[in-house]
Amino acid sequence: SQTIHQWPATLVQPVGSPLSLECTVEGTSNPNLYWYRQAAGRGLQLLFYSVGIGQISSEVPQNLSASRPQDRQFILSSKKLLLSDSGFYLCAWDRGNNQPQHFGDGTRLSIL
Amino acid sequence: AQKVTQAQTEISVVEKEDVTLDCVYETRDTTYYLFWYKQPPSGELVFLIRRNSFDEQNEISGRYSWNFQKSTSSFNFTITASQVVDSAVYFCALSSMDSNYQLIWGAGTKLIIKP
Repeated sequence: SQTIHQWPATLVQPVGSPLSLECTVEGTSNPNLYWYRQAAGRGLQLLFYSVGIGQISSEVPQNLSASRPQDRQFILSSKKLLLSDSGFYLCAWDRGNNQPQHFGDGTRLSIL
Repeated sequence: AQKVTQAQTEISVVEKEDVTLDCVYETRDTTYYLFWYKQPPSGELVFLIRRNSFDEQNEISGRYSWNFQKSTSSFNFTITASQVVDSAVYFCALSSMDSNYQLIWGAGTKLIIKP
């Protein structure tokens, strides 16, 4: 069966510090991968998605970047965090063909 | 343009009551997919159902049922005999060629089940 791992679960970072959130999927190959952000009490905002290694599409211009160095690894990064980067970050995968997305447990990021 | 509207921001009911969460969608495509997800307080999103636009049969899974009506562009979700564990935020989502098959999410409905 397929599983998705996302870490860390919580993170507190000072403004201006770098960020690296990692997501890995097991049990499948060549998944589509997604990064979402959810502000407190709000809906989901798609940040990045990837259909293959090295292929990243950005949905919203921002202070963040994403990379996919391996087939089942998706990394969300920032060089200098802003207060507005606080939120709940979710990684997801799917098989394409309108199959459902499956989500990791999320990372709660607080910027101080 | 594609859009998903969940007009109910928050619903509160007493345990064992039935509750319906509304979802209205907009799309120009004739082929599209609708989804419901549950987000419990712990935060992870749990997939509940996927329905394609050619299948208007209603679906029942235990206490959960879904009513898909193309005539009103709605895909409503009913929980029968609600339980405290049903408390969560529920999201409806849409995908189609018009969105490059990316999910278009509703804003979510927070469901509170009181004991």
